[in-house]
Amino acid sequence: DQQVKQNSPSLSVQEGRISILNCDYTNSMFDYFLWYKKYPAEGPTFLISISSIKDKNEDGRFTVFLNKSAKHLSLHIVPSQPGDSAVYFCAASARFGGGSNYKLTFGKGTLLTVNP
Amino acid sequence: DSGVTQTPKHLITATGQRVTLRCSPRSGDLSVYWYQQSLDQGLQFLIQYYNGEERAKGNILERFSAQQFPDLHSELNLSSLELGDSALYFCASRERENKDTQYFGPGTRLTVL
Repeated sequence: DQQVKQNSPSLSVQEGRISILNCDYTNSMFDYFLWYKKYPAEGPTFLISISSIKDKNEDGRFTVFLNKSAKHLSLHIVPSQPGDSAVYFCAASARFGGGSNYKLTFGKGTLLTVNP
Repeated sequence: DSGVTQTPKHLITATGQRVTLRCSPRSGDLSVYWYQQSLDQGLQFLIQYYNGEERAKGNILERFSAQQFPDLHSELNLSSLELGDSALYFCASRERENKDTQYFGPGTRLTVL
């Protein structure tokens, strides 16, 4: 049972345009959401995050939107650059064990290609 | 550079063998997480340690085990290896101030022949 879904395996956009990556989740216990970027042969790199008490978080060219009622989040990259070409993973965090333990559940990723 | 180190970068071995993957978390981070990424799969959570104690288990096989040492480095032991164990194995450590954010190492690519 996939609790975090990225339904688009790949996305191709032109340099300078907007890239929109989508993510859906099913577990209402998730209270924090993160996006990671991964280049080949490297580990995932933290990009941006959002708490469930917010609906938008912005960091430079990257903005994450959260729609809790739809259990949907999206990552907007504006303007897109060729160096943004990578696999983007959506992750959701939930507390477990009654303590301060947090576990991340990842989607399968979306390969973004930004064409010059 | 995330500050998380993993060795070795690549590992090639045969079926039935045993290997050990090593991870050092970022300075000051007490939690270590292990993940497996197989072909066309997302990151599958295997196991978490916090300050030397096991805190959570995910989809970890019984043939796999891990431990975290007093200096906080962690080792993931994979035994009786099968072809299907070929994957990327990542370790991550958790940021103290923001408890949800994990920082990943560069990974170990395991190939079982």
